[in-house]
Amino acid sequence: QVQLVQSGAEVKQPGSSVKVSCKASGGTFSSHVITWVRQAPGQGLAWMGGIIPIFGRTYYAQNFQGRVTITADESTSTAYMELSSLRSDDTAVYYCARGLFITIFGVVIPSTLDYWGQGTLVTVSS
Amino acid sequence: QSALTQPASVSGSPGQSITISCTGTSSDVGSYNLVSWYQHHPGKAPKLIIFEVNKRPSGVSDRFSGSKSGKTASLTISGLQAEDEADYYCCSYGGSSNLLFGGGTKLTVL
Repeated sequence: QVQLVQSGAEVKQPGSSVKVSCKASGGTFSSHVITWVRQAPGQGLAWMGGIIPIFGRTYYAQNFQGRVTITADESTSTAYMELSSLRSDDTAVYYCARGLFITIFGVVIPSTLDYWGQGTLVTVSS
Repeated sequence: QSALTQPASVSGSPGQSITISCTGTSSDVGSYNLVSWYQHHPGKAPKLIIFEVNKRPSGVSDRFSGSKSGKTASLTISGLQAEDEADYYCCSYGGSSNLLFGGGTKLTVL
């Protein structure tokens, strides 16, 4: 059974950075898109980006470009999402998810998010 | 890229059927059969219930079904049960290796 276990809740000051981890077990890791999604209070789900560890390639949503960095350590089946220059509206629950993908003419096309982590609450407050 | 459009809320009585729509554009929903649906109970992790428009993962009730016509995908839940009360999100490939989510629909079982 695939499990994604995320790191614990964080409280951060505005302007600082946060790094959330996501450790996978029970299934393949490197050949999937490890994806990060967030949900701000009262808001819907928002795709932030993902990484395919076996390719070492990352993909970021335009809204987060320049502030988010997604990395992965294949040796420990752990992915990381670091968000910098934190603002109060970055307060949210951050989820990691394992995603499927296909490639067409070398373009990675992500699709289904089949397993999700339990979520990590990040609170940005002074 | 804009989020996919879903109704904010739907409701139905136990035993009834409801349908949630998810409208995109010719660049996302209209171009790819890569629409998935997620059930999200507050405080829990989202759960995949439909993938690739109309496929159900193992273990998901056959009361959940998906379809697509043009730029609009739909999720139908038949035989509504109290436990179906949750938020539902559609998701589609949006081009440029990006995923797009809908704004979410709150399902109330009356």
